[in-house]
Amino acid sequence: DIVMTQSPESLAVSLGERATINCKSSQSVLYSPNNRNYLAWYQQKPGQPPKLLIYWASTRESGVPDRFRGSGSGTDFTLTISSLQAEDVAVYYCQHYYSSPPTFGQGTKVEIK
Amino acid sequence: EVQLLESGGGLVQPGGSLRLSCAASGFTFSNYAMSWVRQAPGKGLEWASAISASGDDTYYADSVKGRFTISRDNSKNTLYLQMNNLRAEDTAVHYCAKVVGNYVDHWGQGILVTVSS
Repeated sequence: DIVMTQSPESLAVSLGERATINCKSSQSVLYSPNNRNYLAWYQQKPGQPPKLLIYWASTRESGVPDRFRGSGSGTDFTLTISSLQAEDVAVYYCQHYYSSPPTFGQGTKVEIK
Repeated sequence: EVQLLESGGGLVQPGGSLRLSCAASGFTFSNYAMSWVRQAPGKGLEWASAISASGDDTYYADSVKGRFTISRDNSKNTLYLQMNNLRAEDTAVHYCAKVVGNYVDHWGQGILVTVSS
């Protein structure tokens, strides 16, 4: 199974500042024939189910604010929140879907400093 | 609007059984693979089981293989998870998930399964 490792485990960022979350896969999730990275990001607020933010590593889901940006390729990926808002307090998970089974990172908790 | 409504959870003793259901609406259910993703209290997400759109292909995590059975009734727009020989470590919120290319684009609200004596 592909292991997904996120860093940091938690971070505290001031309102309006940038938050950066990293996700590393134990093997590449880039499929060369279509040049797509099989990587998604989810946001989970307390007491709620996860919500899809990003798929194909950098495509925002409909309705997701443009302050959320996914980047990276191969084995190293980043979710950036360009200007943290109070409503962004949540745990963020990456997930590969390159092969079976799809696996999730352990999560990164984002709080307000 | 896509809606996924889970039911059937609750408290069960170790070794017992439960059947989860997920009623789907707002999309053509028979066109999509579905999954059960679970989350133990205070923990991360686990892709527990999945089923193809037709129901012909299934996947189980090693942690549930041989004990859980996923199925679907496309005529009723309903996904099921039969859970047998439940263990304490199966205690989790179980989410019904609509799958697109093996990522989840819609999640149910989740239902808690508690295994305890």
